[in-house]
Amino acid sequence: DTGVSQNPRHKITKRGQNVTFRCDPISEHNRLYWYRQTLGQGPEFLTYFQNEAQLEKSRLLSDRFSAERPKGSFSTLEIQRTEQGDSAMYLCASSLGSAGGPYEQFFGPGTRLTVL
Amino acid sequence: EDKVVQSPLSLVVHEGDTVTLNCSYEVTNFRSLLWYKQEKKAPTFLFMLTSSGIEKKSGRLSSILDKKELSSILNITATQTGDSAIYLCAVEEGRANFGNEKLTFGTGTRLTIIP
Repeated sequence: DTGVSQNPRHKITKRGQNVTFRCDPISEHNRLYWYRQTLGQGPEFLTYFQNEAQLEKSRLLSDRFSAERPKGSFSTLEIQRTEQGDSAMYLCASSLGSAGGPYEQFFGPGTRLTVL
Repeated sequence: EDKVVQSPLSLVVHEGDTVTLNCSYEVTNFRSLLWYKQEKKAPTFLFMLTSSGIEKKSGRLSSILDKKELSSILNITATQTGDSAIYLCAVEEGRANFGNEKLTFGTGTRLTIIP
Protein backbone atom coordinates (compact mmCIF):
# COMPACT_ATOMS: atom_id res chain seq x y z
CA ASP A 1 0.00 0.00 0.00
CA THR A 2 1.59 3.27 -1.09
CA GLY A 3 -0.86 5.60 0.65
CA VAL A 4 -0.47 7.56 3.88
CA SER A 5 -0.32 5.27 6.90
CA GLN A 6 -0.89 6.08 10.54
CA ASN A 7 -0.27 4.13 13.71
CA PRO A 8 -1.88 3.25 15.97
CA ARG A 9 -5.37 3.33 14.51
CA HIS A 10 -6.94 3.53 17.94
CA LYS A 11 -5.54 4.68 21.26
CA ILE A 12 -7.28 4.64 24.62
CA THR A 13 -5.46 6.36 27.44
CA LYS A 14 -6.11 7.73 30.87
CA ARG A 15 -6.16 11.43 31.56
CA GLY A 16 -2.70 12.76 32.32
CA GLN A 17 -0.80 10.20 30.25
CA ASN A 18 1.35 11.09 27.25
CA VAL A 19 0.58 9.68 23.81
CA THR A 20 2.50 9.63 20.53
CA PHE A 21 1.13 8.99 17.06
CA ARG A 22 3.08 8.17 13.94
CA CYS A 23 2.43 9.11 10.32
CA ASP A 24 4.21 7.72 7.26
CA PRO A 25 3.49 9.87 4.20
CA ILE A 26 3.46 8.90 0.54
CA SER A 27 7.14 8.43 -0.20
CA GLU A 28 7.69 11.18 -2.74
CA HIS A 29 5.68 13.79 -0.80
CA ASN A 30 7.76 16.46 0.91
CA ARG A 31 4.88 18.17 2.74
CA LEU A 32 3.19 16.56 5.70
CA TYR A 33 0.21 17.94 7.63
CA TRP A 34 -1.53 17.13 10.90
CA TYR A 35 -5.24 17.80 11.45
CA ARG A 36 -7.66 17.06 14.26
CA GLN A 37 -11.28 16.15 13.66
CA THR A 38 -13.98 16.09 16.32
CA LEU A 39 -17.47 14.70 15.90
CA GLY A 40 -19.60 16.68 13.51
CA GLN A 41 -16.79 18.97 12.42
CA GLY A 42 -14.43 19.14 9.49
CA PRO A 43 -10.72 18.53 10.06
CA GLU A 44 -8.92 21.36 11.85
CA PHE A 45 -5.35 22.19 10.85
CA LEU A 46 -2.65 21.76 13.51
CA THR A 47 0.77 21.97 11.90
CA TYR A 48 2.76 21.08 8.80
CA PHE A 49 6.26 20.27 7.58
CA GLN A 50 8.33 20.80 4.50
CA ASN A 51 10.77 17.90 4.73
CA GLU A 52 12.08 18.16 8.31
CA ALA A 53 11.26 21.86 8.74
CA GLN A 54 8.09 22.72 10.66
CA LEU A 55 6.62 25.61 8.69
CA GLU A 56 3.71 26.49 10.93
CA LYS A 57 2.93 25.45 14.46
CA SER A 58 0.89 28.34 15.74
CA ARG A 59 -2.29 26.29 15.35
CA LEU A 60 -1.16 23.56 17.70
CA LEU A 61 -3.84 23.57 20.36
CA SER A 62 -1.61 24.14 23.36
CA ASP A 63 1.97 23.69 24.48
CA ARG A 64 1.05 20.11 25.37
CA PHE A 65 1.05 19.35 21.64
CA SER A 66 4.27 18.92 19.67
CA ALA A 67 5.23 17.39 16.35
CA GLU A 68 8.46 16.31 14.72
CA ARG A 69 9.64 15.05 11.37
CA PRO A 70 13.30 14.45 12.15
CA LYS A 71 14.53 12.95 8.90
CA GLY A 72 11.95 14.42 6.59
CA SER A 73 10.13 11.12 6.21
CA PHE A 74 7.75 9.92 8.94
CA SER A 75 6.35 12.31 11.53
CA THR A 76 5.20 11.98 15.12
CA LEU A 77 2.58 13.97 17.02
CA GLU A 78 2.86 13.91 20.80
CA ILE A 79 0.27 15.03 23.31
CA GLN A 80 1.51 15.39 26.86
CA ARG A 81 -0.71 15.23 29.95
CA THR A 82 -3.78 14.28 27.94
CA GLU A 83 -7.15 15.73 28.82
CA GLN A 84 -10.62 14.41 27.99
CA GLY A 85 -11.04 17.27 25.51
CA ASP A 86 -8.18 15.82 23.48
CA SER A 87 -10.40 12.91 22.44
CA ALA A 88 -10.69 13.16 18.66
CA MET A 89 -9.51 11.70 15.37
CA TYR A 90 -5.99 12.82 14.49
CA LEU A 91 -5.44 12.86 10.75
CA CYS A 92 -2.22 13.06 8.81
CA ALA A 93 -2.02 14.13 5.18
CA SER A 94 0.79 14.52 2.69
CA SER A 95 1.33 16.28 -0.60
CA LEU A 96 3.90 17.45 -3.05
CA GLY A 97 4.39 21.15 -2.79
CA SER A 98 7.61 22.95 -2.12
CA ALA A 99 7.07 24.77 -5.41
CA GLY A 100 4.45 24.87 -8.10
CA GLY A 101 1.08 23.30 -7.55
CA PRO A 102 -1.33 23.51 -5.87
CA TYR A 103 -1.33 19.81 -5.14
CA GLU A 104 -3.90 17.56 -3.55
CA GLN A 105 -3.47 16.53 0.05
CA PHE A 106 -3.99 12.81 0.60
CA PHE A 107 -5.14 11.68 4.01
CA GLY A 108 -4.23 8.68 6.11
CA PRO A 109 -6.80 6.56 7.98
CA GLY A 110 -6.35 8.54 11.18
CA THR A 111 -5.68 7.70 14.82
CA ARG A 112 -8.74 7.80 17.03
CA LEU A 113 -7.79 8.93 20.54
CA THR A 114 -10.05 8.34 23.51
CA VAL A 115 -9.02 9.89 26.82
CA LEU A 116 -10.77 8.38 29.84
CA GLU B 1 -10.36 34.37 10.33
CA ASP B 2 -10.80 32.24 7.21
CA LYS B 3 -14.21 30.69 6.85
CA VAL B 4 -15.73 27.88 4.79
CA VAL B 5 -19.48 27.32 4.98
CA GLN B 6 -21.30 24.35 3.52
CA SER B 7 -24.99 23.88 2.91
CA PRO B 8 -27.16 22.06 3.51
CA LEU B 9 -25.75 20.48 6.66
CA SER B 10 -27.77 17.36 6.00
CA LEU B 11 -29.63 15.97 3.00
CA VAL B 12 -31.75 12.86 2.59
CA VAL B 13 -32.81 11.79 -0.91
CA HIS B 14 -33.97 8.68 -2.71
CA GLU B 15 -31.70 6.58 -4.87
CA GLY B 16 -31.64 7.96 -8.41
CA ASP B 17 -32.15 11.58 -7.39
CA THR B 18 -29.70 14.35 -8.29
CA VAL B 19 -28.19 16.43 -5.50
CA THR B 20 -26.31 19.72 -5.37
CA LEU B 21 -24.06 20.54 -2.44
CA ASN B 22 -22.88 24.08 -1.81
CA CYS B 23 -19.70 25.59 -0.44
CA SER B 24 -18.91 29.26 0.12
CA TYR B 25 -15.65 30.67 1.41
CA GLU B 26 -13.91 33.74 2.70
CA VAL B 27 -10.13 33.59 2.57
CA THR B 28 -7.50 36.21 2.05
CA ASN B 29 -5.28 34.58 -0.59
CA PHE B 30 -7.32 31.90 -2.34
CA ARG B 31 -5.26 29.21 -4.01
CA SER B 32 -7.53 26.20 -4.49
CA LEU B 33 -10.78 24.58 -3.37
CA LEU B 34 -11.00 20.87 -2.75
CA TRP B 35 -13.87 18.44 -2.28
CA TYR B 36 -13.47 15.28 -0.21
CA LYS B 37 -15.80 12.37 0.56
CA GLN B 38 -15.67 10.98 4.08
CA GLU B 39 -17.25 7.74 5.13
CA LYS B 40 -16.31 6.17 8.46
CA LYS B 41 -12.66 6.88 7.85
CA ALA B 42 -10.32 9.51 6.47
CA PRO B 43 -11.37 11.97 3.76
CA THR B 44 -10.99 10.69 0.21
CA PHE B 45 -10.01 13.25 -2.43
CA LEU B 46 -12.61 14.02 -5.12
CA PHE B 47 -11.73 17.26 -6.91
CA MET B 48 -9.40 20.23 -6.81
CA LEU B 49 -10.60 23.48 -8.39
CA THR B 50 -8.46 26.47 -9.09
CA SER B 51 -10.02 28.22 -12.08
CA SER B 52 -13.46 29.75 -12.19
CA GLY B 53 -16.06 28.29 -14.55
CA ILE B 54 -14.22 25.10 -15.49
CA GLU B 55 -16.21 22.01 -14.58
CA LYS B 56 -14.40 18.97 -13.27
CA LYS B 57 -16.14 15.66 -13.78
CA SER B 58 -15.66 12.13 -12.54
CA GLY B 59 -18.40 9.67 -13.41
CA ARG B 60 -21.62 10.87 -11.82
CA LEU B 61 -19.86 13.57 -9.81
CA SER B 62 -19.02 17.04 -11.06
CA SER B 63 -17.92 20.29 -9.50
CA ILE B 64 -17.41 23.89 -10.52
CA LEU B 65 -15.90 26.96 -8.91
CA ASP B 66 -17.20 30.54 -9.06
CA LYS B 67 -14.47 32.88 -7.86
CA LYS B 68 -16.67 35.94 -8.29
CA GLU B 69 -19.29 34.51 -5.94
CA LEU B 70 -16.62 32.82 -3.74
CA SER B 71 -18.43 29.53 -3.99
CA SER B 72 -18.43 26.05 -5.44
CA ILE B 73 -21.02 23.35 -6.03
CA LEU B 74 -20.70 19.59 -6.09
CA ASN B 75 -23.29 17.74 -8.15
CA ILE B 76 -24.06 14.05 -7.91
CA THR B 77 -26.44 12.61 -10.50
CA ALA B 78 -28.29 9.28 -10.34
CA THR B 79 -27.37 8.86 -6.69
CA GLN B 80 -26.64 5.41 -5.27
CA THR B 81 -26.60 4.16 -1.69
CA GLY B 82 -22.81 4.08 -1.89
CA ASP B 83 -22.84 7.86 -2.22
CA SER B 84 -24.01 8.14 1.39
CA ALA B 85 -21.22 9.96 3.19
CA ILE B 86 -20.12 13.32 4.51
CA TYR B 87 -18.90 15.62 1.76
CA LEU B 88 -16.27 18.09 2.89
CA CYS B 89 -15.25 21.29 1.17
CA ALA B 90 -11.81 22.73 1.93
CA VAL B 91 -10.00 25.84 0.80
CA GLU B 92 -6.27 26.34 0.55
CA GLU B 93 -4.90 29.78 1.13
CA GLY B 94 -1.42 30.24 -0.24
CA ARG B 95 1.45 32.63 -0.41
CA ALA B 96 3.20 33.25 -3.70
CA ASN B 97 6.06 30.83 -4.39
CA PHE B 98 5.49 29.05 -1.11
CA GLY B 99 3.88 25.87 -2.36
CA ASN B 100 1.05 23.95 -0.75
CA GLU B 101 -0.30 25.17 2.57
CA LYS B 102 -2.95 24.25 5.10
CA LEU B 103 -6.55 23.49 4.27
CA THR B 104 -9.50 25.13 6.01
CA PHE B 105 -12.49 22.79 6.04
CA GLY B 106 -16.20 23.36 6.28
CA THR B 107 -18.28 21.25 8.64
CA GLY B 108 -19.48 19.08 5.78
CA THR B 109 -22.79 18.01 4.28
CA ARG B 110 -24.11 14.66 5.48
CA LEU B 111 -25.75 12.97 2.48
CA THR B 112 -28.02 9.98 3.01
CA ILE B 113 -29.35 8.02 0.06
CA ILE B 114 -32.48 5.96 0.74
CA PRO B 115 -32.85 2.83 -1.42
